Amino acid sequence: DIQMTQSPSSLSASVGDRVTITCRASQSINSWLAWYQQKSGKAPKLLIYKASSLERGVPSRFSGSGSGTEFTLTISSLQPDDFATYYCQQYNSYPWTFGQGTKVEIK
Amino acid sequence: EVQLLESGGGLVHPGGSLRLSCAASGFTFSGYSMSWVRQAPGKGLEWVSVIYSGGSTTYYADSVKGRFTISRDNSRDMLTLQMNSLRAEDTAVYYCAKGGGPLRYYALDAWGQGTTVTVSS
Repeated sequence: DIQMTQSPSSLSASVGDRVTITCRASQSINSWLAWYQQKSGKAPKLLIYKASSLERGVPSRFSGSGSGTEFTLTISSLQPDDFATYYCQQYNSYPWTFGQGTKVEIK
Repeated sequence: EVQLLESGGGLVHPGGSLRLSCAASGFTFSGYSMSWVRQAPGKGLEWVSVIYSGGSTTYYADSVKGRFTISRDNSRDMLTLQMNSLRAEDTAVYYCAKGGGPLRYYALDAWGQGTTVTVSS
């Protein structure tokens, strides 16, 4: 199975900050990586697919990059609505696997 | 608007069975793969199973293989997950999720609100 490791596990940031979350795969997943946002008690929401493609309706302050084994999610200017947990997920091969999550909290 | 509505969760004893359903609307159900993803209390997301658009190809997480069966009825826009031999570690919120296309290599672009399964004596 492909292991997905996110860092950091949590971070504190202020509104307006630039935030970067890293996701590493235990083997190459090409660009078959997605990023999801999950708010407390709610279902996950797709932000980024195929490593860098922005899902329709997602604000442009979110961006993704990377390929192979190393990927990043960047929020260019953190907004109050962005405080949530973020997960990466590989869909290159089965079983699909998620990272452990990164909780973004208010500083 | 895409809507996915799960039902069928509840409290079940270890070793018991439960059948989850997901009613889909707002898109051409038969054209997309569908998945189940679960989240144990206070934990992260765990992919459970996928079924391709035609219904004949399925994949499972090792943790549920041989115990869970995913299926779909494209005439009724319905996805199901039959869960047998349930264990305490199957306790979770179960989400139904839509793939971005009919086969593999598509992220999960729409999710239901989830249904809670609790396995306890």
